[in-house]
Amino acid sequence: AQTVTQSQPEMSVQEAETVTLSCTYDTSENNYYLFWYKQPPSRQMILVIRQEAYKQQNATENRFSVNFQKAAKSFSLKISDSQLGDTAMYFCAFMKPWNTDKLIFGTGTRLQVFP
Amino acid sequence: AAGVIQSPRHLIKEKRETATLKCYPIPRHDTVYWYQQGPGQDPQFLISFYEKMQSDKGSIPDRFSAQQFSDYHSELNMSSLELGDSALYFCASSLGDRAVGANVLTFGAGSRLTVL
Repeated sequence: AQTVTQSQPEMSVQEAETVTLSCTYDTSENNYYLFWYKQPPSRQMILVIRQEAYKQQNATENRFSVNFQKAAKSFSLKISDSQLGDTAMYFCAFMKPWNTDKLIFGTGTRLQVFP
Repeated sequence: AAGVIQSPRHLIKEKRETATLKCYPIPRHDTVYWYQQGPGQDPQFLISFYEKMQSDKGSIPDRFSAQQFSDYHSELNMSSLELGDSALYFCASSLGDRAVGANVLTFGAGSRLTVL
């Protein structure tokens, strides 16, 4: 069975600074997908970024980028130029590559951005 | 753009009552997922449907049942409600039958169930 581990229950960062959230996972699959979802106080689940395991290049979406280390089964999220609106719960998630497979979430990291 | 619509947004029930949550996926999406998120918890997968057939089952109690209808909307039926069923219930949809690329789930805003 696949597992996703987020070892940082809470993180804080000052506005405009950079922060990195950690995520490790365990799987015997060679191909899979990894995601970061953001859940602000509104509780809406919002996709931040995704990575295909067969792609060596790290995914980037504006201020958000990942460091994907397949051999180490590590998938960290870097947020640059942090903004107050980035304050949220961040969930790392894993998915097998089958068409209708589900997301398996980590326990989340609560990020607080301070002015 | 159309999103995943969930109703009701809030629901208050007494113990042992029954509740039904509805989910309307994004148009053309044929796969629906249900997740339960307790207070301070990560979302837990309950069940999913592809083309109106159950495609996967997670930690869904026997008191719960779900189905996907011909118009692809889905309903989650919960009976004999317990205090521990109080949670945020998410529905997500995706396009299961696609050529390439990640199966990206789009989530609804959730239905908050409170059991008193």
